[in-house]
Amino acid sequence: DQQVKQNSPSLSVQEGRISILNCDYTNSMFDYFLWYKKYPAEGPTFLISISSIKDKNEDGRFTVFLNKSAKHLSLHIVPSQPGDSAVYFCAASVEDRDDKIIFGKGTRLHILP
Amino acid sequence: DVKVTQSSRYLVKRTGEKVFLECVQDMDHENMFWYRQDPGLGLRLIYFSYDVKMKEKGDIPEGYSVSREKKERFSLILESASTNQTSMYLCASSLPKQGRSDTQYFGPGTRLTVL
Repeated sequence: DQQVKQNSPSLSVQEGRISILNCDYTNSMFDYFLWYKKYPAEGPTFLISISSIKDKNEDGRFTVFLNKSAKHLSLHIVPSQPGDSAVYFCAASVEDRDDKIIFGKGTRLHILP
Repeated sequence: DVKVTQSSRYLVKRTGEKVFLECVQDMDHENMFWYRQDPGLGLRLIYFSYDVKMKEKGDIPEGYSVSREKKERFSLILESASTNQTSMYLCASSLPKQGRSDTQYFGPGTRLTVL
């Protein structure tokens, strides 16, 4: 059973516009969420995270929003740049559990010129 | 900066061969992980280790084993490679959960092809 769901396998956005990547989760025990970015033939790199005690975290062009009641989080990239073209993985974990994090299947973002 | 290295970027093996994938991290992290990434399936956890000599099964351990004899090194072993093990293999490391920092640091990956 998939606990972290990224329902859009791919997304295309015009350069300069906002990219919004969505993620839903089913386990209400999740209390920490992360986004990773992955280029082809490279390992994923950490992008941004958010604790469940917050509803927003911002880092430069990247903002993550968390809606706990809807069990939904989103990553906003503003403005989108060509280098943002990559696969984005949403991930979640539970405090006081083992040190695993649960990954979604990823969304491939294409930034169009 | 955390550095996680993997022994090979690309590897081609034949069905039935024993395959070793090596991973080394230089940040004294307790935790190490092996994932495989396949199109449409995302990152799936194969095995992980919290400490030397310790190992835990992930979501898809079948056909794999691991070894952690030293803290910095975590090896993934395919006892008898099969074509369905053709995949991108990713190693990661992290500190134990403290201060709610669950960030895992990944190596560059090994693209394994089994013929």
